[in-house]
Amino acid sequence: EDQVTQSPEALRLQEGESSSLNCSYTVSGLRGLFWYRQDPGKGPEFLFTLYSAGEEKEKERLKATLTKKESFLHITAPKPEDSATYLCAVRGSWGKLQFGAGTQVVVTP
Amino acid sequence: DAGITQSPRHKVTETGTPVTLRCHQTENHRYMYWYRQDPGHGLRLIHYSYGVKDTDKGEVSDGYSVSRSKTEDFLLTLESATSSQTSVYFCAIRQGASQPQHFGDGTRLSIL
Repeated sequence: EDQVTQSPEALRLQEGESSSLNCSYTVSGLRGLFWYRQDPGKGPEFLFTLYSAGEEKEKERLKATLTKKESFLHITAPKPEDSATYLCAVRGSWGKLQFGAGTQVVVTP
Repeated sequence: DAGITQSPRHKVTETGTPVTLRCHQTENHRYMYWYRQDPGHGLRLIHYSYGVKDTDKGEVSDGYSVSRSKTEDFLLTLESATSSQTSVYFCAIRQGASQPQHFGDGTRLSIL
């Protein structure tokens, strides 16, 4: 059974204080690891897809990396507008997405 | 925006009543999904569709049914709502096998 565990559950950062979010997974036949951002009252917004160990993707202050057992979402010099819940999901050989419970990030000025 | 509209956005109803939620897309994508999101559980798949009249169950399908008579519409029905079905429901669409899913803004459903 595919499983995804995200840590920490919550993260409070000062503006400019870089940090990383962790997504550990077990999956049969990885067909993609996905990162989403979710704002309160909104649906998840797609950020990145990673397919193989060693792959990296960047967008503004966010950088996602992938190993065979986990993925990291690095937030560099965050701003208050980076406050959101970040979701990780994996797609295995059966084709459906398995989501983690998310990490809630709050960035204070 | 991914061209997904969910309706209604909010609904309060009573135990035992039928409820239908609608997901409408303007992208002509083949795949459509219904999830529920509850604190501590993340997003869990209820049902999905891979074409008109082609649907299948997800991990939490008990008490739910779906229909897809047109490419653009995917309906989720609770035949007899229970309090345990109080949740936020999200619809998602996907274009192809290697593409990510894109989500609507959800329906907040409260069953009293």
